[in-house]
Amino acid sequence: GAVVSQHPSRVICKSGTSVKIECRSLDFQATTMFWYRQFPKKSLMLMATSNEGSKATYEQGVEKDKFLINHASLTLSTLTVTSAHPEDSSFYICSASKTAGGADTQYFGPGTRLTVL
Amino acid sequence: GQSLEQPSEVTAVEGAIVQINCTYQTSGFYGLSWYQQHDGGAPTFLSYNALDGLEETGRFSSFLSRSDSYGYLLLQELQMKDSASYFCAVNTGFQKLVFGTGTRLLVSP
Repeated sequence: GAVVSQHPSRVICKSGTSVKIECRSLDFQATTMFWYRQFPKKSLMLMATSNEGSKATYEQGVEKDKFLINHASLTLSTLTVTSAHPEDSSFYICSASKTAGGADTQYFGPGTRLTVL
Repeated sequence: GQSLEQPSEVTAVEGAIVQINCTYQTSGFYGLSWYQQHDGGAPTFLSYNALDGLEETGRFSSFLSRSDSYGYLLLQELQMKDSASYFCAVNTGFQKLVFGTGTRLLVSP
C-alpha cells in the first residue's frame, strides 16, 4: 500500500502560461501533502506543506502567488505554476503522509518534469 | 541555517559493502530517513532512525548517533541496480523533511 501518483509526468509549456500538476494518494488518505522541487543532480527542496482543508504553508523564498497549492480532499493536492518562465523548469515531486505529525513516512509520487520554453 | 552533508559520490564493485555518511545540523530533529532515487525517478524510502543505534532491513542498514548529529547508510552485497543517488533527510517536525546534498553511488561489475 501507500501509492502516490502524479499527473502529468511530463509537461512542456510556453512562457507565460499556467500549468497544473496533480498529486493523488491512491490507497490511503493523506492528511498532509508536500511539494518539492529538484534541479538536475541536486537535492530535493521543500516548497510547501499542504494540509487538507487549510491553506498551504510555504517555505521561505517560495512565492505563494506563483505556486498555487490546493488540497481539496484527503486524496488530492494540486500545484499550479502560474505565468511560468524558463527558470521554473524543474522536476516537481509531491509526497503524502498519513498523519499530520510525528515520525510517519512520506510516500513520494513519481514526479513531474516541467519544461518552460 | 539547516544543513545535511553527504559525500557527493561513492564508487564500489558488485558484492562489496559501502557506507554513506550524513552529518546534519538542523533546528529540530525527530528522526533521520534514507531515500534512494534512480535517475528521473521518485525517491523511495529505505529506512528511518528515530533513536540511536542500528536498524537493519535486508541488505541495507542505517545507523544514527544523535549526540554526534551523524548517521550512515550501509549497503551490503552491492548489486548493479543499487547504482543511484542516496539522500539522507531529517524530520525537523510536523513531518517536514530537510534533505541532504545526496550521494551518487556507482556500482561497477
